[in-house]
Amino acid sequence: RKEVEQDPGPFNVPEGATVAFNCTYSNSASQSFFWYRQDCRKEPKLLMSVYSSGNEDGRFTAQLNRASQYISLLIRDSKLSDSATYLCVVNVAGNQFYFGTGTSLTVIP
Amino acid sequence: EPEVTQTPSHQVTQMGQEVILRCVPISNHLYFYWYRQILGQKVEFLVSFYNNEISEKSEIFDDQFSVERPDGSNFTLKIRSTKLEDSAMYFCASTATGAQPQHFGDGTRLSIL
Repeated sequence: RKEVEQDPGPFNVPEGATVAFNCTYSNSASQSFFWYRQDCRKEPKLLMSVYSSGNEDGRFTAQLNRASQYISLLIRDSKLSDSATYLCVVNVAGNQFYFGTGTSLTVIP
Repeated sequence: EPEVTQTPSHQVTQMGQEVILRCVPISNHLYFYWYRQILGQKVEFLVSFYNNEISEKSEIFDDQFSVERPDGSNFTLKIRSTKLEDSAMYFCASTATGAQPQHFGDGTRLSIL
């Protein structure tokens, strides 16, 4: 079983749309959770950490459900510049990080 | 903002040769990582390094691979006797503490011919 699973997409949405990505993790001992974005042939860049109570950063909202071992990312009012691959990253005890395969988003004019 | 820097940006090597990929982590960070990403595939963990020793490594990180922090600033990944399937993007990352979000370098694209 994979440590982190994501729907690979692709998601093609019009500008201004709201889109949600989901991620599940298998290890109940996982401690920290993050969303990264990765542009084509570039390095992953931190988008936001995910906190137990849920957190928001502008148009982006992240949620964590420990009971269901599930993380989500909601993007409101999508911009063309949001087009990228979104990576779910989970830190298990110690300093090993597991990456999901990524979800591809294309925002269409 | 401090950055993780990696050199070279692109390395082309004949199969069977040794390569060394270099990284300069952010200066006050204590945890260092190497990842690889084969084109079109997911980012895969290779190894983490703390206090001058390997703390975690994946199944990918076999005897062909080694890491070193020779001088307190550089963090290197050595791949001995490279294979075609080693062709990938290699990312270095660092964090201040073990569970904090990682900062990634731009990556080194390794092409094995």
